[in-house]
Amino acid sequence: EVPLVESGGDWVQPGGSLRLSCVASGFTFSNSWMNWIRHTPEKGLELLANMGPSETQKYYLDSVKGRFTVSRDNAKNSLFLQMNNLRVEDTGVYYCVRDFEYGHYDYWGQGTLVTVSS
Amino acid sequence: DGVVTQSPLFLPVTLGQPASISCKSSQTLVHSNGNTYLHWFQQRPGHAPRLLIYKVSNRGSGVPDRFSGSGSGTDFTLRISRVEVEDVGIYYCMQGRYWQTFGQGTKVEIK
Repeated sequence: EVPLVESGGDWVQPGGSLRLSCVASGFTFSNSWMNWIRHTPEKGLELLANMGPSETQKYYLDSVKGRFTVSRDNAKNSLFLQMNNLRVEDTGVYYCVRDFEYGHYDYWGQGTLVTVSS
Repeated sequence: DGVVTQSPLFLPVTLGQPASISCKSSQTLVHSNGNTYLHWFQQRPGHAPRLLIYKVSNRGSGVPDRFSGSGSGTDFTLRISRVEVEDVGIYYCMQGRYWQTFGQGTKVEIK
């Protein structure tokens, strides 16, 4: 069983929006810190956003603050990333990961590709 | 925030021979709780990254014992005792002490 499965990646024009989803299984999602990681050719791997079990625990990379919003539905074991005002440099593969402790990413999704281009 | 720098960025290796990758942090990665949050990940071609080593020297689930990690403070090393074909890929260190950041990656290929 694959512990994390992302979806929602697509091609979008600059300025557009996308919502990524990640469904978890095989571990206690509701107690877990969950992160969105991005892999781009220019910047490599970057932590974009992380979210604790509570709605009040959300943190963002400076370059996506105000454009990206992380959320979760613990009843559905799901994590989301709403991405607005997308830029060409947001193009990359987006991964959902479980952060066991301070970067100890024990579970990774397979990734979903986001392409921002005119 | 902690910047981590890897070297080399490209590592051609001979099958069965050892290999090592260095990772240096701009700031100490020792937390006030006594733990050092430096981790290593492997990304094989066509796959998502996976955890190799956590907190400097602890192997992740299912990781062969030919992989080992060492170091302290700001200087860390990943070693492969005898490189196998399945070890080809990109290796990343990551610091978790501050906003989590990754090294640039080291590409391991067979000579």
